[in-house]
Amino acid sequence: GESVGLHLPTLSVQEGDNSIINCAYSNSASDYFIWYKQESGKGPQFIIDIRSNMDKRQGQRVTVLLNKTVKHLSLQIAATQPGDSAVYFCAEKGGYQKVTFGTGTKLQVIP
Amino acid sequence: EAGVAQSPRYKIIEKRQSVAFWCNPISGHATLYWYQQILGQGPKLLIQFQNNGVVDDSQLPKDRFSAERLKGVDSTLKIQPAKLEDSAVYLCASSLDLKAEQYFGPGTRLTVT
Repeated sequence: GESVGLHLPTLSVQEGDNSIINCAYSNSASDYFIWYKQESGKGPQFIIDIRSNMDKRQGQRVTVLLNKTVKHLSLQIAATQPGDSAVYFCAEKGGYQKVTFGTGTKLQVIP
Repeated sequence: EAGVAQSPRYKIIEKRQSVAFWCNPISGHATLYWYQQILGQGPKLLIQFQNNGVVDDSQLPKDRFSAERLKGVDSTLKIQPAKLEDSAVYLCASSLDLKAEQYFGPGTRLTVT
């Protein structure tokens, strides 16, 4: 069936370094992808999205890359800060605008 | 602007008991979602409302779970009877419409013993 998954469950980075979080998806018909950030005790928070007709999209300190050939999505965070510590989910939007989440990657920022 | 409100924040019950969760979406948001998030996993959509109508409830265990949004604003999610595997965080989210960004509440953490 359709699935959205992540390669690494935990990622540790030094403060100030760049972080890269990867995600694989299996539904080639997916046309919209979202990255969420979830801090402890809170609900997921929208970070950035990208449509399948794009390869790259940039926000403030974040960049999402989409490679449709290998069905791979990545989130790049520049100059990682302690406040970036959280679990990051990629998600796919499908029929009825239903959002399907992956299992998440925990980002730990080392001061 | 006030965010999505949920109550209670925490609930502990014994298996076979009943429980209800309440959600108040952001004012003006037509679409409301209930998700179940088991520890270590991503949220899973249980049910999606557009105003007071159900858009998708394909992953809702209808033998024990029910949800309603009678006036198209607040919503309640009920579990009766609860099982151990229902232990999870129940997240409510809302959006202006089906295509708009979803805003999540803080969730209700349910522990079934």
